[in-house]
Amino acid sequence: EVQLVQSEAEVKKSGESLKISCKGSGYSFTTYWVAWVRQMPGKGLEWMGIIYPGDSDTRYSPSFQGQVTISADKSINTAYLQWSSLKASDTAVYYCARPRHTTKGFGMDVWGQGTAVTVSS
Amino acid sequence: EIALTQSPATLSLSPGEKVTLSCRASQSIGSSFLAWYQQKPGQAPRLVFYGSSSRATGIPDRFSGSGSGTDFTLTISRLEPEDLAVYYCQHYGSSLAPFGGGTKVEIK
Repeated sequence: EVQLVQSEAEVKKSGESLKISCKGSGYSFTTYWVAWVRQMPGKGLEWMGIIYPGDSDTRYSPSFQGQVTISADKSINTAYLQWSSLKASDTAVYYCARPRHTTKGFGMDVWGQGTAVTVSS
Repeated sequence: EIALTQSPATLSLSPGEKVTLSCRASQSIGSSFLAWYQQKPGQAPRLVFYGSSSRATGIPDRFSGSGSGTDFTLTISRLEPEDLAVYYCQHYGSSLAPFGGGTKVEIK
């Protein structure tokens, strides 16, 4: 079964660092991009950026450039999203997903279950 | 960066009714780069359409997608109670893939 499994929920304080993970299985992890998507409480979906685990090519949405770091360890089929200094406004659910462009067109066909991050001030 | 505007923000209909959701792009986009997702309460999003009109695995045929240029539509021919969800469109362009603001479908 093709799946992305994310790390558990986190509760942190402002100023702390954090790294959450997304582990792929059931497919060739190094040959598909992995995207990160934020959903703040009661709000819509926001594209954060993507990484190609095969060579760690990483692209960020301008809104998130410099605010987070996306990385991957292809030896263990895992992508990461990290913060060096959390803010209360980082409180959200974060999803990883697999973007694909096939003969049918573009879509993100596999999603992780989401990691809830709560940051208290 | 291309912006996507979805309308209406909320839709409340009875089971069996036809649902039409709109996604408008700020400039013309290729239909193969437009996707639709369904997010039910408390769940991760689920792909509904690849390339604006190709149904993803497991999506019932009462769902259809269409459109080109700047205007795209998701239609549910006969609304079922399990279709209660927020629906998002997304455009993929180089390294950016913004989402629309979503349309919430409520069941009367």
